[in-house]
Amino acid sequence: GEDVEQSLFLSVREGDSSVINCTYTDSSSTYLYWYKQEPGAGLQLLTYIFSNMDMKQDQRLTVLLNKKDKHLSLRIADTQTGDSAIYFCAESTAGRRALTFGSGTRLQVQP
Amino acid sequence: DARVTQTPRHKVTEMGQEVTMRCQPILGHNTVFWYRQTMMQGLELLAYFRNRAPLDDSGMPKDRFSAEMPDATLATLKIQPSEPRDSAVYFCASGLVIRGPTSNNQPQHFGDGTRLSIL
Repeated sequence: GEDVEQSLFLSVREGDSSVINCTYTDSSSTYLYWYKQEPGAGLQLLTYIFSNMDMKQDQRLTVLLNKKDKHLSLRIADTQTGDSAIYFCAESTAGRRALTFGSGTRLQVQP
Repeated sequence: DARVTQTPRHKVTEMGQEVTMRCQPILGHNTVFWYRQTMMQGLELLAYFRNRAPLDDSGMPKDRFSAEMPDATLATLKIQPSEPRDSAVYFCASGLVIRGPTSNNQPQHFGDGTRLSIL
């Protein structure tokens, strides 16, 4: 079945860039997503990319997709303390629209 | 801003009791999903509806869980009887899936969840 993997923890200093990585196994993945979850809150959609794209930029966020290696990354420029949260990578296919999530990466931003 | 609305936000009850969780999807969305989040299992799909028809409920324990969409503005998830192992955060999400270019689809937006504790 589908599998999505992420590293569990990332610590950066305020003002630095953060790069959160994700790998997936389903070669038919059509849509890839990044969600943010703050403590006690729901999942906030940050950005998403279609599999026919290599890169998407949205303000401080840059998503890179390497379809050959099934590798997705989220870069957050000028990381702020408010960016501290858990970041989930997720994928879905055209046939199965339900999301398969990674385990989440906890981003800690130190002042 | 359009939002997915879930009620109740918190629920504490004793095992054996019936629990009903409600979700109002974003107006115009035609897909509704129920996910469960636990520390051990992470985020798991329970059920998936498109145009109010159930497409996938393989992640749901059938003997005690049921999911329905009485109309396009309401989705429900019921647990009867509830057990302590059902304690989790239950999320509803809605999206739009239509034929044509993938760019016409809208990704899933999540509600704030129902935090369920079964004693």
